[in-house]
Amino acid sequence: AQRVTQPEKLLSVFKGAPVELKCNYSYSGSPELFWYVQYSRQRLQLLLRHISRESIKGFTADLNKGETSFHLKKPFAQEEDSAMYYCALSGGTSYGKLTFGQGTILTVHP
Amino acid sequence: DAGVTQSPTHLIKTRGQHVTLRCSPISGHKSVSWYQQVLGQGPQFIFQYYEKEERGRGNFPDRFSARQFPNYSSELNVNALLLGDSALYLCASSPGLHSGNTIYFGEGSWLTVV
Repeated sequence: AQRVTQPEKLLSVFKGAPVELKCNYSYSGSPELFWYVQYSRQRLQLLLRHISRESIKGFTADLNKGETSFHLKKPFAQEEDSAMYYCALSGGTSYGKLTFGQGTILTVHP
Repeated sequence: DAGVTQSPTHLIKTRGQHVTLRCSPISGHKSVSWYQQVLGQGPQFIFQYYEKEERGRGNFPDRFSARQFPNYSSELNVNALLLGDSALYLCASSPGLHSGNTIYFGEGSWLTVV
């Protein structure tokens, strides 16, 4: 069975501070990991995926297979980063079937 | 591009009734998936369809069914509604089933069962 855990439901930081949203997963094979973001009054959208190894809006995430983690990081948070963040996993032949974590609400204070 | 569109956006049903939710994928996308999102939780996978065939089913009772049409649009049907079916139902589409395809979500249909 595949499972995604986001241990923090709420995370508050001040503008300019570093931010790290934690994600741990459980999967027996080689998963694909994603971070989705939902800004206020907008639809769920892809932020980044581990296979791209790119930085989007200053965010990066590294897949650590040893620790089964895919934490999302940004060195200097901005107020516009305030949103709901979901970590998600897609495994094996079931690409397109995403297993989501419960989400973390990030609030960046001015 | 209009993105993934869903209808209706909001609806209220009574326990025991039936509901049909509709989804139009992004043009050119052949895969459609459905998710249920209960308040305070992440989306939970219900179904995936590709080329009009069911390719995956989540842990949901047989009251939930879906289909995909030749134009790749999709319907989610829920029979004998329960209070616990109250949720946001999300539709997602992608070009295919290959790794690297981006999955795009609609804005969802809010279902309230009273």
